[in-house]
Amino acid sequence: GESVGLHLPTLSVQEGDNSIINCAYSNSASDYFIWYKQESGKGPQFIIDIRSNMDKRQGQRVTVLLNKTVKHLSLQIAATQPGDSAVYFCAENIQGTYKYIFGTGTRLKVLA
Amino acid sequence: DTAVSQTPKYLVTQMGNDKSIKCEQNLGHDTMYWYKQDSKKFLKIMFSYNNKELIINETVPNRFSPKSPDKAHLNLHINSLELGDSAVYFCASSQSGTGELFFGEGSRLTVL
Repeated sequence: GESVGLHLPTLSVQEGDNSIINCAYSNSASDYFIWYKQESGKGPQFIIDIRSNMDKRQGQRVTVLLNKTVKHLSLQIAATQPGDSAVYFCAENIQGTYKYIFGTGTRLKVLA
Repeated sequence: DTAVSQTPKYLVTQMGNDKSIKCEQNLGHDTMYWYKQDSKKFLKIMFSYNNKELIINETVPNRFSPKSPDKAHLNLHINSLELGDSAVYFCASSQSGTGELFFGEGSRLTVL
């Protein structure tokens, strides 16, 4: 199913600290997950993805964790920088269905 | 070199008018999408085309009519615009509905 957010959750983090953004996905059959970053006035940009046969994947300063048991996804950003301020979305996909369902998003604010 | 480009970026129009948004991708993908993002940043899928064929049609009013002249282009025509149509519309593409979804920069539609 799709979630309809009543408001956009905000996470405020001090510059240099680590950030953890959480996402609950809806379909236990989803087998591919993506995190996107959306800056003001721009389209969502790919950050990192993970397939359901993995539970952790690391990129540059970012780590995605997948817990299929509780249908939970998290994005960890190390040493958060002002340029990380944006809205972050998780998306779920079942391969072959062509459909990507997005979570409600989390606004990350980095405090100087 | 822009991967997914959409025009216009901004569109301001009166209720009852008809308008179109165009999208082109140069990634060689076979699947294109339209998403609507509301004021709370929620991204909702509207349509998807694979090789010029409509494969996803969510519960969108039939005032919205997508057209895909070829697999690199997906346009969106909206008839009899209503206030509630005001949103940012994003075009996206992927290869065979799997893997990363690439987004355009969005078209902000304001209906007065």
